[in-house]
Amino acid sequence: DTAVSQTPKYLVTQMGNDKSIKCEQNLGHDTMYWYKQDSKKFLKIMFSYNNKELIINETVPNRFSPKSPDKAHLNLHINSLELGDSAVYFCASSKKEGIGYGYTFGSGTRLTVV
Amino acid sequence: AQKITQTQPGMFVQEKEAVTLDCTYDTSDPSYGLFWYKQPSSGEMIFLIYQGSYDQQNATEGRYSLNFQKARKSANLVISASQLGDSAMYFCAMREGRGDYKLSFGAGTTVTVRA
Repeated sequence: DTAVSQTPKYLVTQMGNDKSIKCEQNLGHDTMYWYKQDSKKFLKIMFSYNNKELIINETVPNRFSPKSPDKAHLNLHINSLELGDSAVYFCASSKKEGIGYGYTFGSGTRLTVV
Repeated sequence: AQKITQTQPGMFVQEKEAVTLDCTYDTSDPSYGLFWYKQPSSGEMIFLIYQGSYDQQNATEGRYSLNFQKARKSANLVISASQLGDSAMYFCAMREGRGDYKLSFGAGTTVTVRA
């Protein structure tokens, strides 16, 4: 059983399109995250939800909108895709409280905007 | 300000030798956790090892050990007896005990193991 699953694994789309990435976790964690890994492999947090409540919203264009229907799901919708949005997007989950809890990551979604 | 610094962009190591990956961190929080993740070419993020700020002993997990020097704010990863499968990117990360508890990553170090 996959702990954190995200779909699709690959996404190729044209500029200007709208796309969504879905994420689900079965670990019983209360917090989920979206990270962006750029072409230089740097990982930067975008959003975090705790029990369906947005708790982290880094400086991200408002074309990116996360949605958490319940604490096991966190989706990422991107409007009007731009070339610079091409990256690998990782979903992760954890327990919010407690420094000893690391994140469990999904396998990533490689988004290519052409 | 960058909270996690990994100064080695890439390293080569001979198979069966040990390699040390450097990581320094910056925090004023007395309570924090330090993590190392491995990202092979297949792309997934694999958790390797954890060290808590109050832990008295250095963490070890199989061939991985963490050289934790609190006063220097360093948390170096040591991989012993390197294997070809250790070739990957390695990320150091920190989670502070206050605020939003987010995991902040360093820029990563690419390790290539030579036969």
